[in-house]
Amino acid sequence: GAGVSQSPSNKVTEKGKDVELRCDPISGHTALYWYRQRLGQGLEFLIYFQGNSAPDKSGLPSDRFSAERTGESVSTLTIQRTQQEDSAVYLCASSLDRGLGNTIYFGEGSWLTVV
Amino acid sequence: QKEVEQNSGPLSVPEGAIASLNCTYSDRGSQSFFWYRQYSGKSPELIMSIYSNGDKEDGRFTAQLNKASQYVSLLIRDSQPSDSATYLCAVGNSWGKFQFGAGTQVVVTP
Repeated sequence: GAGVSQSPSNKVTEKGKDVELRCDPISGHTALYWYRQRLGQGLEFLIYFQGNSAPDKSGLPSDRFSAERTGESVSTLTIQRTQQEDSAVYLCASSLDRGLGNTIYFGEGSWLTVV
Repeated sequence: QKEVEQNSGPLSVPEGAIASLNCTYSDRGSQSFFWYRQYSGKSPELIMSIYSNGDKEDGRFTAQLNKASQYVSLLIRDSQPSDSATYLCAVGNSWGKFQFGAGTQVVVTP
């Protein structure tokens, strides 16, 4: 596609429910990133994929959070047993590769509200 | 210590003046440096990238990098009301991890 595509764009869920957020990176981009941004806050790194492997999962806040990527394309971020503090916009980004000179481009984000 | 630090602002700048934004980073192995602009409710968009020491100019924007001081800055010349946004500094290491600062809010006043 022309840009990074994320779905759903907005999600309201009840506390305790599971949610899945999807990211479709720019075609041909091998690196994929998930960030979280709470209202009025900066970007919080969650996880990074190079191809289908995740060399860095250090940012995942708890074991309720998991992510996978298949076919070196689409990635899914899953949040189990959602809590109110999970309310944020979840931004996905991709880059052509991970080396010097590669820029990351963002999707429009998935806005999650846990009520 | 945060990996990437920025002044939170807000930085108030008169229209037509120069806005100066600063960013410091802690990882000496960092290799790529970026400035993103983020309007309220929108995702970040790339303004500038810089990889070597010195200045890089693109239109009204100039990025400056000093790896010895672990410092990167952004100058916005002839500031316009449309420049009012939050500016995010991002730093990438050799294996592709990008860390972002918390952002500096810029307000350009007519």
